[in-house]
Amino acid sequence: DAKTTQPNSMESNEEEPVHLPCNHSTISGTDYIHWYRQLPSQGPEYVIHGLTSNVNNRMASLAIAEDRKSSTLILHRATLRDAAVYYCILRDMRGGGNKLTFGTGTQLKVEL
Amino acid sequence: DSGVTQTPKHLITATGQRVTLRCSPRSGDLSVYWYQQSLDQGLQFLIQYYNGEERAKGNILERFSAQQFPDLHSELNLSSLELGDSALYFCASSVLVDTEAFFGQGTRLTVV
Repeated sequence: DAKTTQPNSMESNEEEPVHLPCNHSTISGTDYIHWYRQLPSQGPEYVIHGLTSNVNNRMASLAIAEDRKSSTLILHRATLRDAAVYYCILRDMRGGGNKLTFGTGTQLKVEL
Repeated sequence: DSGVTQTPKHLITATGQRVTLRCSPRSGDLSVYWYQQSLDQGLQFLIQYYNGEERAKGNILERFSAQQFPDLHSELNLSSLELGDSALYFCASSVLVDTEAFFGQGTRLTVV
């Protein structure tokens, strides 16, 4: 499986933008880049996904490098509720399934 | 609330025993997934079903089995339990086999 590399932790101040990086140098042409987050004591929560173009939704934006070897999840204004572990995942569709391989993720801390 | 319901929320059992974890997917979702989260292994994909049929298999032990029933709910059976099976077990569901997954709150299994 193609792997992703993320920083173990990042800190941000409330109401400031946060850029969470992810490296995936062995990504294949058909791999979608997914981001999920896991708040304390909860199950993972879908954030956003993309293939080649930058994507925006109500939660975040996803910026994908032109060579697709890296991507950045952007939270435009961090709130205390955004403190969570953020996972960057390459979706493995081999065999017709939808296997999400979670790494260790980035622990985001948001301070007042 | 993701709409995915898992029961029970907590389960304590002895080594060697067998337990069944139940998952009701979001209304309209055809695919269900099972994940295991332990402190040392992180989130591990176990298995995926789509409309009753197995679609993808991960690191699921032979002592574990799962199925998806005609009403689309799923059960994960864990037998000959060992201390190392203590973990959070998450169920997720998605509309189709390759769309974003919505996770339940998990079942915390403690084997003593």
